[in-house]
Amino acid sequence: AQKVTQAQTEISVVEKEDVTLDCVYETRDTTYYLFWYKQPPSGELVFLIRRNSFDEQNEISGRYSWNFQKSTSSFNFTITASQVVDSAVYFCALSEVNSGGYQKVTFGTGTKLQVIP
Amino acid sequence: DTGVSQNPRHKITKRGQNVTFRCDPISEHNRLYWYRQTLGQGPEFLTYFQNEAQLEKSRLLSDRFSAERPKGSFSTLEIQRTEQGDSAMYLCASRHTDTQYFGPGTRLTVL
Repeated sequence: AQKVTQAQTEISVVEKEDVTLDCVYETRDTTYYLFWYKQPPSGELVFLIRRNSFDEQNEISGRYSWNFQKSTSSFNFTITASQVVDSAVYFCALSEVNSGGYQKVTFGTGTKLQVIP
Repeated sequence: DTGVSQNPRHKITKRGQNVTFRCDPISEHNRLYWYRQTLGQGPEFLTYFQNEAQLEKSRLLSDRFSAERPKGSFSTLEIQRTEQGDSAMYLCASRHTDTQYFGPGTRLTVL
């Protein structure tokens, strides 16, 4: 069975601080995808990144960076120089690689990030 | 705006009433998903469509729930005889390659 654990329920940081959101996953699949989504107060889940289990290179996109470590089954997300607009709930998710049919996605319980001005 | 759209955004109903939600996926996305999200939780899968065929259903989808996607474009989710436990955010997603893109959701409150 697949499982995603986001142990941090809520985090508060002061604007311009760096913050790391932790994600630990469990799966028996040898190939899988990992995702991060952002859910602002408006409710829409915004796709941030997808990572293939074969690709352990870290990725940076502007102030966002992701650290994928297969050895520890972790896929952590860092926001550098946080801004008030980063305040949201962030979800880590896991799916099997299945481009042809039903894709089962398992979500974590989310980490609520509050950036204080 | 070419993203996933959902209507209505909010719905308040009395227990026992029927409600219907609509989802318009990103055009040309033939795979569509419905999820339910309760407070403090991540989205939980309800059902999946590939074109007009409903191919997967979760055990969460009781017989009071029905979903359709008649022409393989928009989809509807109906809840009959609503219960207070049905209060949640109902999210729709459409999929391109291996990424699901979500709509803004319909927040249902059952009084």
